[in-house]
Order: sequence, then structure tokens, then C-alpha cells
Amino acid sequence: KQEVTQIPAALSVPEGENLVLNCSFTDSAIYNLQWFRQDPGKGLTSLLLIQSSQREQTSGRLNASLDKSSGRSTLYIAASQPGDSATYLCAVMGGGSRLTFGEGTQLTVNP
Amino acid sequence: GAVVSQHPSWVICKSGTSVKIECRSLDFQATTMFWYRQFPKQSLMLMATSNEGSKATYEQGVEKDKFLINHASLTLSTLTVTSAHPEDSSFYICSAGPRTSGTDEQFFGPGTRLTVL
Repeated sequence: KQEVTQIPAALSVPEGENLVLNCSFTDSAIYNLQWFRQDPGKGLTSLLLIQSSQREQTSGRLNASLDKSSGRSTLYIAASQPGDSATYLCAVMGGGSRLTFGEGTQLTVNP
Repeated sequence: GAVVSQHPSWVICKSGTSVKIECRSLDFQATTMFWYRQFPKQSLMLMATSNEGSKATYEQGVEKDKFLINHASLTLSTLTVTSAHPEDSSFYICSAGPRTSGTDEQFFGPGTRLTVL
């Protein structure tokens, strides 16, 4: 059974800092890995999707990497802003297009 | 493109009543739709997977007679919570995908907040 772990569970940083969120998964037989953002009481916003054959994806200040063989992914956020405050979820897709989510990292960026 | 809607966005009901939640893919056809539940401060847990025209596949521990799923078309799936109780209060999120043509990405609805009194 796939298990996804995210570290840290919570993170508080001052504005402008670069930061890294970590995600690990136990079964490397995945089709893709996706990072989402969730604001309180809201649905999911897809940030980046990395196919299993890819190593990284970039969008603006966000960069996600994938090391499938070691079961790890990182989400790098450059020059963090208060508007980046949210919960970040990592999810891996296995057979049957089923997504398994991590518990999330709650990020607070202080002005 | 790839927009998924849910209706209603929130609902409050009395214990013992049934509640229906709709999930629609607005601008694409999806081979599969998924239903998730999220309790406060927790992550999303997959409840069931449904394919158009066939019975849903439920995850272990999810009561199929309590959470009825109907997937009538490639753009519409419904989740009915029957005889709802306070412990069913949660945030229900659907996703659709992959598209019948394109990548294997899933697209998520905005969620439905269910409160059972």
C-alpha cells in the first residue's frame, strides 16, 4: 500500500526566504507526482505535475523535483510571500489513476 | 480548460436525511471520477472511484450502501450520503480524469462542505 509522508508538518518563515518542502513515498511504481495548494476551507489548486519520466518542473517561483527511484520529491519556493501561506499537499498517482495524498505541510509566511 | 464544478458548495442538513452532491466536468469528458473526504486538519482520503456506466469501486472501510455513487455520463457523477449523521460532516471533494484525450492528470472540484446537525 502506497504511503506518502510530508515533512515538515508545519513551517513558519519570514517573507523573502527561500524554502523547501519535502515529500516521500514508499512505492516507486508511480505514474506521476503532483503538488497542490489548499487554502483554508477551499478546494485544491494544482501547482505542478511531474510525470514519472521527468526530473523536475518549474512554474514561476516554484520548482518541483522528482527522484522516483529513491521515492522523494521536493517543492522549492523562491522568495516567499505572505500570499504563499497555505497548506501544500503532495500526491502520487498509482494504478487505476488513484491518487494517494500526504498529510500536507502548513506554511505560514510572515510579513 | 479542464474545469470541474461541484454543487452545492455547502449544505446543512438534519440527522437522518439524505444529501446529494453533484460533480461535473464542464469542458471535457472524463473516463473516471473520484470522490474524496477531508476531515479538519487532515489530508484527502479516497472514498471511491467511479467509471461511467459501471458500479463504483469503494475503498476499504467506506460503506457503499451509505455513500451511493451514480456516474450517469462522462461529465456527471453524484454522491448521495444516505441517512446522514453528525460523524458524516466533512469536506467532500471530487476529481475527474484523465480526459478522454490528453495527459493522465486529474482535475479537482472546489469541494462541498457538509454539516449534519
